[in-house]
Amino acid sequence: DSGVTQTPKHLITATGQRVTLRCSPRSGDLSVYWYQQSLDQGLQFLIQYYNGEERAKGNILERFSAQQFPDLHSELNLSSLELGDSALYFCASSGNRETEAFFGQGTRLTVV
Amino acid sequence: GENVEQHPSTLSVQEGDSAVIKCTYSDSASNYFPWYKQELGKRPQLIIDIRSNVGEKKDQRIAVTLNKTAKHFSLHITETQPEDSAVYFCAASIGGYSTLTFGKGTMLLVSP
Repeated sequence: DSGVTQTPKHLITATGQRVTLRCSPRSGDLSVYWYQQSLDQGLQFLIQYYNGEERAKGNILERFSAQQFPDLHSELNLSSLELGDSALYFCASSGNRETEAFFGQGTRLTVV
Repeated sequence: GENVEQHPSTLSVQEGDSAVIKCTYSDSASNYFPWYKQELGKRPQLIIDIRSNVGEKKDQRIAVTLNKTAKHFSLHITETQPEDSAVYFCAASIGGYSTLTFGKGTMLLVSP
C-alpha cells in the first residue's frame, strides 16, 4: 500500500457524461500529480498541484479540469466524455524535494 | 519540455538471463531518474532511482547506470526470474517537486 488512495476503482459511464475522480495523497505530501494511462500512450502527465495551487500542466484536454483542496485531496473532473477517454487514471503524490512519487491504485474509466 | 525515449518496447528473456532497458532524455537540467515496475492491472511502483551526482546504483539484482554527457540511463536486471515479468517505465525530472516525464515502457517477459 503506497498510502495514496483513489476512488472509485472502476467507473463505467456513457459518452457525453461528466465524472469526478478523487485522490487522497500520502499523509504530509503536498504535491499531487494526475496521469492518464492508455494502451498506446503509456503514462501521460496531465496536471500537478502543489499545496492547493496548479504547478504544472501537461497534455490535459480543455474538457478536463482538476483542483486540490485545503485538506490536500485532489479531484480530476472529466466532462463531455468520449470513447477515447477510456483509460486508467493514476494519481501520485510526493512530499520531499527529491520528487519520489508514489502512485495510487488508479481509477479505471470505461466510456461506452 | 522534457522528452524521454525508452527501448526496447518488449523484451523476452529466459530465466536466469540478464535484461537491459535503455532510456534517453532531452533536457540537460534533468537530475533525477527513477524506474517504476508495473504489474498487470496494478500501480507503478518505484524500484530504484538515481540522481545526477552518481553514475551507478545497485540494489540486489537491479542496477541503474547514468551517463549525463550522453543523456542516457539504463536499468540492468541480473538473474531474471518469472516474477520480474512486468512493464518497466523510466522517467526523468529536474527534481524539487517537478513533473516526472515517463518513457513509453518496456514489457519484460521472463520465461521459465
